[in-house]
Amino acid sequence: QSALTQPASVSGSPGQSVTISCTGTNSNVGGYNLVSWYQQHPGKAPKLMIYEGSKRPSGVSNRFSASKSGNTASLTISGLQAEDEADYYCCSYAGSSTWVFGGGTKLSVL
Amino acid sequence: EVQVVETGGGLIQPGGSLRLSCVASGFSVSSDYMNWVRQAPGEGLEWVSALYTGGSTYYADSVKGRFTISRDNSKNTLYLQMNSLRAEDTAVYYCARAGSSWSSFDFWGQGTLVTVSS
Repeated sequence: QSALTQPASVSGSPGQSVTISCTGTNSNVGGYNLVSWYQQHPGKAPKLMIYEGSKRPSGVSNRFSASKSGNTASLTISGLQAEDEADYYCCSYAGSSTWVFGGGTKLSVL
Repeated sequence: EVQVVETGGGLIQPGGSLRLSCVASGFSVSSDYMNWVRQAPGEGLEWVSALYTGGSTYYADSVKGRFTISRDNSKNTLYLQMNSLRAEDTAVYYCARAGSSWSSFDFWGQGTLVTVSS
């Protein structure tokens, strides 16, 4: 149950787009279309942003999109806004009713 | 309104036991998959355990044999019994529901801090 690999940090200016990668293996990311993404502001609980690879829950901005290629999933945030500054975590189903998270990526909006 | 509130955290010595509770409102814990996810101070998220609607339970390798997830339908409450606690179990423990999609966690509580230290 090794953690998925995410970049420690990414940054972008307001209005720009950024992409956060999440690399796993054939046993998790590559084996299922069940990657979810979470946003976490300091001291707050995580918030679901993307589920089942690319679906957005009701109320989540369409500036957030996601995709997958092989063992790597990606979250793209377009039209960056100040309130997007947060930590982002990917999570994948890993088989046998277990889940694995990524190490998290800190997004800075410059 | 869907809400989950965790309680039961605190300071406990290594080797000790603690039981966390997660009281749900706006939905039934017996009708959705329920999970515990933890976050060590300054670290990332780690899935800990799941309880399915049918009663099946699942655990991360790091807690298997030491932690037990359960629920009380009459109290609409999820529990995590934690035994043989170690320093590395120190974390904020979140209760999280897997709602419309069983594979993701759509509602989270604010968490309860467990500190394992002598």
